[in-house]
Amino acid sequence: NAGVTQTPKFRILKIGQSMTLQCAQDMNHNYMYWYRQDPGMGLKLIYYSVGAGITDKGEVPNGYNVSRSTTEDFPLRLELAAPSQTSVYFCASSYSAGDPNEQFFGPGTRLTVL
Amino acid sequence: AQSVSQHNHHVILSEAASLELGCNYSYGGTVNLFWYVQYPGQHLQLLLKYFSGDPLVKGIKGFEAEFIKSKFSFNLRKPSVQWSDTAEYFCAVNALTNAGKSTFGDGTTLTVKP
Repeated sequence: NAGVTQTPKFRILKIGQSMTLQCAQDMNHNYMYWYRQDPGMGLKLIYYSVGAGITDKGEVPNGYNVSRSTTEDFPLRLELAAPSQTSVYFCASSYSAGDPNEQFFGPGTRLTVL
Repeated sequence: AQSVSQHNHHVILSEAASLELGCNYSYGGTVNLFWYVQYPGQHLQLLLKYFSGDPLVKGIKGFEAEFIKSKFSFNLRKPSVQWSDTAEYFCAVNALTNAGKSTFGDGTTLTVKP
């Protein structure tokens, strides 16, 4: 049971490039989330999904897109990378919205946009 | 909307000192409350959680937290910290009517000096 996995661990992008951050979970969780963590700040929710085929915006969705074609996978797409997207990105999953909605986190992807 | 406030951004303690980290949330309805910990170089993991019952909850590694509903608080405590407790601590609130989305505080960095 690998839990939540993320790839890559590190990435440097040039302004305007695009990339996809991969996230997968093997716990059969319904809910999946993408957060970004900036230095000295908490986690900000980018997008979330309550099940395959269903996604919704979080607090800071601009510049990102997601898809959820399977229960296991929840990739995050950056179309035109900007320096403001330099951050650490965490994917998380949870079983349901019911209590207790404990989230399980992946190891993170550290992204730098130059 | 729900929000979380952590009062201390950085706490420095000596080993064996007692710890209390403040967390207040704003939301009028029923909530689940969490403390997550992020050790250096690692991903977030659950420290403890409250969803109902005894307002004093115990977590891993000797941590505990008390939910005081009248004060909208969920402070984290440990009677005697160790060097290995050096980490960043995040309080999070999840309203049961909010589709499983958790709101995180900005985090408190704890440094324990040996």
